[in-house]
Amino acid sequence: KNEVEQSPQNLTAQEGEFITINCSYSVGISALHWLQQHPGGGIVSLFMLSSGKKKHGRLIATINIQEKHSSLHITASHPRDSAVYICAVTRGSNYKLTFGKGTLLTVNP
Amino acid sequence: SAVISQKPSRDICQRGTSLTIQCQVDSQVTMMFWYRQQPGQSLTLIATANQGSEATYESGFVIDKFPISRPNLTFSTLTVSNMSPEDSSIYLCSVAQQRGGSEQFFGPGTRLTVL
Repeated sequence: KNEVEQSPQNLTAQEGEFITINCSYSVGISALHWLQQHPGGGIVSLFMLSSGKKKHGRLIATINIQEKHSSLHITASHPRDSAVYICAVTRGSNYKLTFGKGTLLTVNP
Repeated sequence: SAVISQKPSRDICQRGTSLTIQCQVDSQVTMMFWYRQQPGQSLTLIATANQGSEATYESGFVIDKFPISRPNLTFSTLTVSNMSPEDSSIYLCSVAQQRGGSEQFFGPGTRLTVL
């Protein structure tokens, strides 16, 4: 079993829909990261969080430390949100990221 | 956040040759890392680039195959040596300001195809 599990693997939505991507982890962590990778390959850091909730524009990330679970929400989705969304965790003072396998999101117009 | 550039953005190379990838950051950073992403896979950490000393390699990666330089706090290079088709991947550098609990910022990646 991977230390970081994401669901779903693939997600197709219509423009305007509310989207949720889930991430579960099995180890103690110091922080959880949500990353976005576009088809060209570049990766953008969306959020780093260790508790509670963060919001940036139409993106919201939450984490429940007791349940070892995080969600990434996208409100009013748009075709430009189409990308792979990756959950990753860091443990203690270790800088190394452990990655989930990613969720491929396609938003159709 | 840090702005990171990589050169080249993509390349097609012949088997047996070597390619050096450059990573430039717009500000001084403590930590620099090199990752590989093979087709359809998640990212794998190759090594941590240490300024002024040898890089720290992860299990399965060796200096002879992936020599790394980091002459200062804003620049690093990764060389993929004696390439084979199995080296076809996206190579990304990333940076962080401190060891643990720090956000990592990624470069745009270098897409390498080995024929």
